[in-house]
Parts: sequence; structure tokens; C-alpha cells
Amino acid sequence: DTEVTQTPKHLVMGMTNKKSLKCEQHMGHRAMYWYKQKAKKPPELMFVYSYEKLSINESVPSRFSPECPNSSLLNLHLHALQPEDSALYLCASSYDRIGGYTFGSGTRLTVV
Amino acid sequence: GESVGLHLPTLSVQEGDNSIINCAYSNSASDYFIWYKQESGKGPQFIIDIRSNMDKRQGQRVTVLLNKTVKHLSLQIAATQPGDSAVYFCAENPDMNTGFQKLVFGTGTRLLVSP
Repeated sequence: DTEVTQTPKHLVMGMTNKKSLKCEQHMGHRAMYWYKQKAKKPPELMFVYSYEKLSINESVPSRFSPECPNSSLLNLHLHALQPEDSALYLCASSYDRIGGYTFGSGTRLTVV
Repeated sequence: GESVGLHLPTLSVQEGDNSIINCAYSNSASDYFIWYKQESGKGPQFIIDIRSNMDKRQGQRVTVLLNKTVKHLSLQIAATQPGDSAVYFCAENPDMNTGFQKLVFGTGTRLLVSP
């Protein structure tokens, strides 16, 4: 298995809703990442988990809450989002310091 | 913060031509660079990487060139095909001292290949 699987592929949520994005990989990768990508822009790092511990939080608002239940799973819990949070949310994983990331196909999030 | 790349240009080529996509990076401490391809509706896909102790690396139909003196990275695609149409991002890792990669992405270049 050489894939990163993200669910759901599309999500529409209201500003008062609570939802979660899920990411799964079975490549034995030790690091997992959340990126946010706005239209026609590059991906921007949000969080990094290394060995299931949060290693980097790029000053992300608390309405985004990451969770790493085990080495294969990564969640992003969403609460009280704003319309400007609408974007493509990408999950990625990597084994080590080199080799790049394997990205999932993303969740297209729309906040209404 | 750190930045990689310039504004988002578009490169239009004919099928069969060679394509060159450029990227400027700002962090002289970066030791590792990657090119990604992103097709519409998909996540970025790894194309090729290069360490800073190299100035050239070749893959299948692709070559990455690194000029550390001027902090410039380029991706050459030989015999460009319509399936190569996508947005291409360069990315750098400015900190190799951690057990993970903290990639910083450039602004990207859209490649359009016409038959």
C-alpha cells in the first residue's frame, strides 16, 4: 500500500458545525502532516506529527484541532470555522528526513 | 517567513517540446529540494528530488538542476506530453536536523501542453 487516503473528499459545513477530516496511511511512515491549500496557491503547513507526537503547530487557530490516534491515522477536528477557512486540506506522510511526502488527494472543504 | 519561488507563471508548450520550469529559493541553509506535480483535483505528486551536494539529477524524462550560488532550481521535462499539463511546485527543506521534513513550497508554475 503506497497511498495516503483522505476522507471525506468533499465537505460542506456551517459555521456552527463540528466535523472531522480523516487521513490514513499504511506505509510505516513516522511523520504525518496537515497542509492547507487555497485556490491557485501553494500548500501551507499547518501541523506536523512525528512518532505520534505533535512537533509543529504553525500558529494555526484553535478552531482546528489535530489528533494522531496511532502511527497510521491522523485526524483534523473542525469547529466554528469561518468562510475563509474554505480550502483544500491535504494530508501527507513521510518516512524520514528525505524522500519527500506522499500526499493524499485532499478534502475540499466549504464553510457556509 | 521563508519563501520559495516567484509569482505563479504559466508556461505554454507544444507537445514534443522540452519544458523548463524555474524556481528561486531564499534560504541558503536548505539542503534538500523536491519537485511536485499537482493535477486538478489531486494532491501533489513527487517527481524528483535533489540534495545540495549535487547539482544535477536525472529521472525518467525529467532532470533537476540546482545552482546553489544563485539559489536557483529548475525542472526540465523532455518531450513534453499533454499528460504533463499540471501545476508544478518546487519545495525546500530548510531544516534537515529533525526526524521529519518541513517542506516550504514555492508559488508554482502552470504548465499547459497543447497537442
